[in-house]
Amino acid sequence: DAGVTQSPTHLIKTRGQQVTLRCSPKSGHDTVSWYQQALGQGPQFIFQYYEEEERQRGNFPDRFSGHQFPNYSSELNVNALLLGDSALYLCASSRGQPHSPLHFGNGTRLTVT
Amino acid sequence: GNSVTQMEGPVTLSEEAFLTINCTYTATGYPSLFWYVQYPGEGLQLLLKATKADDKGSNKGFEATYRKETTSFHLEKGSVQVSDSAVYFCALSDTADSSYKLIFGSGTRLLVRP
Repeated sequence: DAGVTQSPTHLIKTRGQQVTLRCSPKSGHDTVSWYQQALGQGPQFIFQYYEEEERQRGNFPDRFSGHQFPNYSSELNVNALLLGDSALYLCASSRGQPHSPLHFGNGTRLTVT
Repeated sequence: GNSVTQMEGPVTLSEEAFLTINCTYTATGYPSLFWYVQYPGEGLQLLLKATKADDKGSNKGFEATYRKETTSFHLEKGSVQVSDSAVYFCALSDTADSSYKLIFGSGTRLLVRP
């Protein structure tokens, strides 16, 4: 039973560029959440997708956008990258109910230079 | 607003020592509480959870009791192993606003020496 898979594992981008991160949820899960984890900090909620719609959003600028596909996989897009966007980006999947336990992928390490 | 506060690390223990990692929370409603663990190079894994006051979550020898009167959810283990070395995150999910997000503490690194 495959868990949550994320790609790529590492990425280096230049300030001002755009990046797309990808996530495939655990089998049987229909909800995908994205979190940003800065070095030495806890994960911060970016947004959650359910039924191909953004259901909830955290305090992140519009440069952060996402998408969910009919097979429940998801993408996170970040435009106009800033140095401060350097972080580990975690995808988590769950079933659709509130407070359903999250299953996390291993993350994508993004470095902006 | 909702928040989670954890004790700062690193916490360094010898194998078979008793572990306590403190966690307190602020929430507007009646949150569910979680402990997640992150091993080096990996994502977070759910360790245990409690959904209402006085519930005790337990898994792999770890325990935590939901204390509403002290707004705490401290993580304990009676005898730690080297393999328990990781970063531990306390988190909450608040029911008050039908929120789907988890709010995490800043994490506590545990180092267990042989």
